[in-house]
Amino acid sequence: SQTIHQWPATLVQPVGSPLSLECTVEGTSNPNLYWYRQAAGRGLQLLFYSVGIGQISSEVPQNLSASRPQDRQFILSSKKLLLSDSGFYLCAWRTAEEAGGRDTQYFGPGTRLTVL
Amino acid sequence: AQKITQTQPGMFVQEKEAVTLDCTYDTSDPSYGLFWYKQPSSGEMIFLIYQGSYDQQNATEGRYSLNFQKARKSANLVISASQLGDSAMYFCAMRGHNTNAGKSTFGDGTTLTVKP
Repeated sequence: SQTIHQWPATLVQPVGSPLSLECTVEGTSNPNLYWYRQAAGRGLQLLFYSVGIGQISSEVPQNLSASRPQDRQFILSSKKLLLSDSGFYLCAWRTAEEAGGRDTQYFGPGTRLTVL
Repeated sequence: AQKITQTQPGMFVQEKEAVTLDCTYDTSDPSYGLFWYKQPSSGEMIFLIYQGSYDQQNATEGRYSLNFQKARKSANLVISASQLGDSAMYFCAMRGHNTNAGKSTFGDGTTLTVKP
């Protein structure tokens, strides 16, 4: 079965410090990968998605970047964190293709980031 | 562009009663999928149910059913026989089947509280 891991689970960082959040997927090959951010009490905002190694698409201009160095690894980074980067970061995966589009996005446990 | 609207920020239901969580959507894709997720206080996003736009019948998964009214562009989630463990935030999401890389759009969510 497929599983998705994220770490760290929680993180408190000062403004201006760098960031690296990691997401790995097991039990599947060539997944589509996604990074979402969720502000407190709000819905999910798609930040980045990737359809393959080295292929990154950004959805919103921001202080963050993403990379996919391996098929099942997705990394979210920042060189200098801002207060507004605080939030709950969720990684998700889905199979690249499935008949009828019935494939579902499956989410990792998330990382709660607080920037002080 | 896709849009999901969840008009109920919070809902209360008595244990063992049924509750309906509203979701309306807008899309230009002729074929699309609709999803509901549950997010308990732990933060994980749990997939509940899927409805395809061309499915002839409304989706059901255990105590969850989706009241899909295509002409009205609504996809309401019905939870029967509510349990205390159903207290959580619920998100409606959609994905157009022609959408690049399967990007999903999420609503802002509804917080459901089940009263004993």
